Amino acid sequence: GEDVEQSLFLSVREGDSSVINCTYTDSSSTYLYWYKQEPGAGLQLLTYIFSNMDMKQDQRLTVLLNKKDKHLSLRIADTQTGDSAIYFCAESKGVNAGKSTFGDGTTLTVKP
Amino acid sequence: DTGVSQDPRHKITKRGQNVTFRCDPISEHNRLYWYRQTLGQGPEFLTYFQNEAQLEKSRLLSDRFSAERPKGSFSTLEIQRTEQGDSAMYLCASSLAQGISGNTIYFGEGSWLTVV
Repeated sequence: GEDVEQSLFLSVREGDSSVINCTYTDSSSTYLYWYKQEPGAGLQLLTYIFSNMDMKQDQRLTVLLNKKDKHLSLRIADTQTGDSAIYFCAESKGVNAGKSTFGDGTTLTVKP
Repeated sequence: DTGVSQDPRHKITKRGQNVTFRCDPISEHNRLYWYRQTLGQGPEFLTYFQNEAQLEKSRLLSDRFSAERPKGSFSTLEIQRTEQGDSAMYLCASSLAQGISGNTIYFGEGSWLTVV
């Protein structure tokens, strides 16, 4: 079946780069997503990448996709305390992000 | 536009009672999704609608759960005979169905359910 795995915790210093990793098992995944969830709130889409791409950059965010290894990463440059949140990786088949399979999230803590 | 709104935000109920959650999607969005999220886990897909049609239901959606979207606008999720295992946050999200727009879904802030 489908499975999306993430490490549970990451702690960085303000100003450093953060790298959050994700692996998935379904080779038919066509889109991969990163979401951010702040305490007590819903999820906010940060970015997504189509499976035939290997990199996407959007301001401080860089997504790298290694389709062969089914590995996805999110790099946040110049991490700020406001970036502290839970980050979820998700995958979908086809253009229907609402039917995605989500990982269990990585809690990012940014220390001043 | 105020985004996706959910009501109530918090609900505490006794085991065996029925509860209903409401979701108002972004007004022009024709797709609407329901998820369940427990502490330390990601959202789990429950069901989705395109307009008023319920197109898919997860096997997680037991027969005690029912969702409706009668006029293709707001949706309700009802849980009958609640059990302690139903305690979770119930998230709603919406999107457009056209092409690449289907890749961007907007979540509400969730409805927390505690069954005591």
